[in-house]
This record gives sequence, C-alpha cells and structure tokens, in this order.
Amino acid sequence: SAVISQKPSRDICQRGTSLTIQCQVDSQVTMMFWYRQQPGQSLTLIATANQGSEATYESGFVIDKFPISRPNLTFSTLTVSNMSPEDSSIYLCSVYLAGGEDNEQFFGPGTRLTVL
Amino acid sequence: QKEVEQNSGPLSVPEGAIASLNCTYSDRGSQSFFWYRQYSGKSPELIMFIYSNGDKEDGRFTAQLNKASQYVSLLIRDSQPSDSATYLCAVRYYGQNFVFGPGTRLSVLP
Repeated sequence: SAVISQKPSRDICQRGTSLTIQCQVDSQVTMMFWYRQQPGQSLTLIATANQGSEATYESGFVIDKFPISRPNLTFSTLTVSNMSPEDSSIYLCSVYLAGGEDNEQFFGPGTRLTVL
Repeated sequence: QKEVEQNSGPLSVPEGAIASLNCTYSDRGSQSFFWYRQYSGKSPELIMFIYSNGDKEDGRFTAQLNKASQYVSLLIRDSQPSDSATYLCAVRYYGQNFVFGPGTRLSVLP
C-alpha cells in the first residue's frame, strides 16, 4: 500500500471563498483521483489528476469550480472555488497501485470541509 | 451507465454471528471486485479483492463472486463489534475507473 496524506484534515470556510486541499503520496504513482463523499453518501469521483496535463473531469464537475494541479507523480491539489454550503463534504484523494492482477485503489485520510 | 447496488442497511447481527453483505452490478464486462470498510469519520480501507468466480478467504473474511449472476458478497465470520462500519463494494472494468456502491452499514451488537 501507499502512505497518503492530505492537508488540511478539516476546515470551516465562509461562503464565496476558496480552499485548496493538498495530497501527498510517499511513492510515485501514475493515477491520482479526487473524490467527494457527502454526509451519508457513497463516493463520487470528481476528476482524475493527470501529471503534466489537464485533469479529466466527471460529468457534473467543471474545472472552474474544482481546479486541479498535478505537478509531479507524488503530489496533487484540489481547489474548491467560490464555495457554498452545498460543497460541505469530505474530499478524498486516492491512488491506484498495481496489484496482482489489477490496480488496487487506496485512499487518503480525507479533508472534512464545512461551508457556512 | 455502470451501476453497483447494495442494501443500505443497517444490517444488525449479534456478536459471533456471520454477517453477509451483498452487492450486484450492472456491467457484465466487469473484471475486478473490491470490498472497502469505512469507519465513521474515516476514509475507506481496502479489505478484500476478488477477480475469479468462487470464494476467496482472508482470515475472518470471505469474498464470493458469481459473474453469471452479477453479484459479489462479503461474509464476515465471528463478527465483532469492531466490525461495525459501512462496507463499500467497488467494481472495475479493466482500464476504467472504479464504480462504488452506496455502501451497507453493518452494526454488530455485543
């Protein structure tokens, strides 16, 4: 497995502001992802963070709202822009690591965001 | 649209019993199947994966896969209160992203 850290672990923000979440992995990984998990819900994939190119966003998520950086193979950031209370959620960074027959997915500890 | 379905629960079992968690998926071409455990306020933790039809055992956990019926299950033997968590099923078609189910909340009663 990989050791994945995220900063901040939690934050309380005001409506209209932006927050940047950092994800650091202890080894080089090709695939990094950002998920959102709203209270009582399952995981929703926001985007795939591609090293050296723009992120690939899932339906319903756009770059202007969730800009992503991936400057190298161990680090990525997700910014939640112009926040509203609906953005209150846990944001999770994850990576794929090669398993026996397929990739296995591991998650960071998450960032709990509350927007007032 | 690939879908993964699970009963949301809560599933309550007494301590020492077998907990049975079920998951069905829509994409017949799915190739890899994963079970994650998520404690309240924590991130998901991979506990089992299975690729082939049949059973795969790891300690108190057994994953069962039936591709013809498009279901995968997780059995937890000798359930402990510490097993109380939400269990997420995830399915992947090779080369594509994981698709997660909504999760089943398990409560093991002392």
